[in-house]
Amino acid sequence: DSGVTQTPKHLITATGQRVTLRCSPRSGDLSVYWYQQSLDQGLQFLIQYYNGEERAKGNILERFSAQQFPDLHSELNLSSLELGDSALYFCASSVALAMGTGELFFGEGSRLTVL
Amino acid sequence: DQQVKQNSPSLSVQEGRISILNCDYTNSMFDYFLWYKKYPAEGPTFLISISSIKDKNEDGRFTVFLNKSAKHLSLHIVPSQPGDSAVYFCAAHRYNQGGKLIFGQGTELSVKP
Repeated sequence: DSGVTQTPKHLITATGQRVTLRCSPRSGDLSVYWYQQSLDQGLQFLIQYYNGEERAKGNILERFSAQQFPDLHSELNLSSLELGDSALYFCASSVALAMGTGELFFGEGSRLTVL
Repeated sequence: DQQVKQNSPSLSVQEGRISILNCDYTNSMFDYFLWYKKYPAEGPTFLISISSIKDKNEDGRFTVFLNKSAKHLSLHIVPSQPGDSAVYFCAAHRYNQGGKLIFGQGTELSVKP
């Protein structure tokens, strides 16, 4: 158990809809990261928040947005969903802003299926 | 642009033998390289890392080798155990890019008894 909690674990929705994925980081971790893993692909970095502020951005679509709340949990909002958005979405956390050796603690992921 | 590549989608090894997983990268500015292990229905877990200023790091049965001139790293598992069966991801990052870990596509290791 990494200590990172993601909900929901599975989500099935239709094209055009909007969903929210939630992540609670490990106790004491200030940084939250979102990654997307599509079929047969590696994990693609989406966005990082540190103590409530956006700190790094990857190839995140404009239809996607995220935020980190004062209690440090984070939400990833995906809107106008397309079939290609079907993927595993991972949240990870770390104590610091900079990763040092790069050790992140990942949640179990939220599997999104868009029909 | 795939900056980190794992060209072998799968690898099968006999229990007790050595497993060698390979990874190539294109960006010479990476500061750290890492290996993560992922079991089905779980998130990736950190396994071992190596700084760009080193060429070897060892942790128990796991050793990572870095060849900067070839832009290549490898993970050696000796001896391999059935519990090592998982997907292994190679990753890299730069200190000045915060949390942006660049992952390879993964290699599925199967260790047969």
